[in-house]
Amino acid sequence: RKEVEQDPGPFNVPEGATVAFNCTYSNSASQSFFWYRQDCRKEPKLLMSVYSSGNEDGRFTAQLNRASQYISLLIRDSKLSDSATYLCVVKLRGLMGKSTFGDGTTLTVKP
Amino acid sequence: EAGVTQFPSHSVIEKGQTVTLRCDPISGHDNLYWYRRVMGKEIKFLLHFVKESKQDESGMPNNRFLAERTGGTYSTLKVQPAELEDSGVYFCASSQEPYPPSPLHFGNGTRLTVT
Repeated sequence: RKEVEQDPGPFNVPEGATVAFNCTYSNSASQSFFWYRQDCRKEPKLLMSVYSSGNEDGRFTAQLNRASQYISLLIRDSKLSDSATYLCVVKLRGLMGKSTFGDGTTLTVKP
Repeated sequence: EAGVTQFPSHSVIEKGQTVTLRCDPISGHDNLYWYRRVMGKEIKFLLHFVKESKQDESGMPNNRFLAERTGGTYSTLKVQPAELEDSGVYFCASSQEPYPPSPLHFGNGTRLTVT
């Protein structure tokens, strides 16, 4: 079983749609959680950190459920520019924490 | 603030040759990571430096890979001799640690093709 598993996708949605991505992690020692976005042939870029209480940044909402070891990302009112691969990233606690990536979920927003 | 820079952006070499990738982290970031993504797979951790020390090299695939960070500034990743399966995109990232746990800032990556 992979340490971080994401919805396989791809997701193809019309502009204005709401879309949700799910991610589960297996290591209960995981401490930090992030969603990264990667455009085609580009480097991953931080979209948002995920906090225990859940957090929102504009049209993006991230949720964390530690008991179920589950993270989600909700995108409301999808834009064409949201088309990208979304990576769930989990980091172990402490100074020695390396980050583990999910395979990514590809989103295509169509007009 | 200058971001993480990697050089070269692309490299095409023949099997058996040597390639050295370079990464310049964000100034002041003690933590430097190497990752790679081979075709069709997820991004995988290779190793982690804290300043000049290797903190975790559990992801290094084999002894053909050598990473260094002399002086705790830039880092190099040498592949010698390169094999076909080494082809992929090699990303370097840096972060400001230790507290709070901080996100990674990635470079543009080096796309390595071994023929």
